[in-house]
Amino acid sequence: AQTVTQSQPEMSVQEAETVTLSCTYDTSESNYYLFWYKQPPSRQMILVIRQEAYKQQNATENRFSVNFQKAAKSFSLKISDSQLGDTAMYFCAFMKQWGAQKLVFGQGTRLTINP
Amino acid sequence: DAGVIQSPRHEVTEMGQEVTLRCKPISGHDYLFWYRQTMMRGLELLIYFNNNVPIDDSGMPEDRFSAKMPNASFSTLKIQPSEPRDSAVYFCASGLRNTGELFFGEGSRLTVL
Repeated sequence: AQTVTQSQPEMSVQEAETVTLSCTYDTSESNYYLFWYKQPPSRQMILVIRQEAYKQQNATENRFSVNFQKAAKSFSLKISDSQLGDTAMYFCAFMKQWGAQKLVFGQGTRLTINP
Repeated sequence: DAGVIQSPRHEVTEMGQEVTLRCKPISGHDYLFWYRQTMMRGLELLIYFNNNVPIDDSGMPEDRFSAKMPNASFSTLKIQPSEPRDSAVYFCASGLRNTGELFFGEGSRLTVL
């Protein structure tokens, strides 16, 4: 079974700073996807970024980038030039590449961006 | 497509009442998932369907919970009788095999008094 661990329950930074959220996972699979989801107070689950495990290049989406270390089973999210709208819960999640599109989530990190 | 549609958005009910949550997945998707989110347990998978057939219901907490998918465009999650500890946000999500994408509805917030 796969497990996902987020060791930072809460984080807080000032607007415009850079923040990194940590995530580790455990799996015996070779091919899989990793995700970061954002959940603002509206509770909508918003996909921030996705990484395919077979790709060595780290995924980026505008101000969001990941540091994917497959051997270490680590998948951190970096938010550059943080904005007030980035305040949310952030979930790291794992999905096997083949078969059911089942997501396994970490416990989440509550990120607060202060003005 | 309108995305995954869930109803109701909010439900407040009394202990012992039956609760039915509804979900319309994205057309063409062959997987449907029900997740529950609570402060204590985070996001946990309750059950999922493939081509309308329940594949894994090991996450369903107890017999009071049941889920059905009578056709490709509709699923229900029923709690009977409801208890205060069932209070949570229930998410429905749908996806297509091997695409690596899962789409979530806006969730149904259930409060059982």
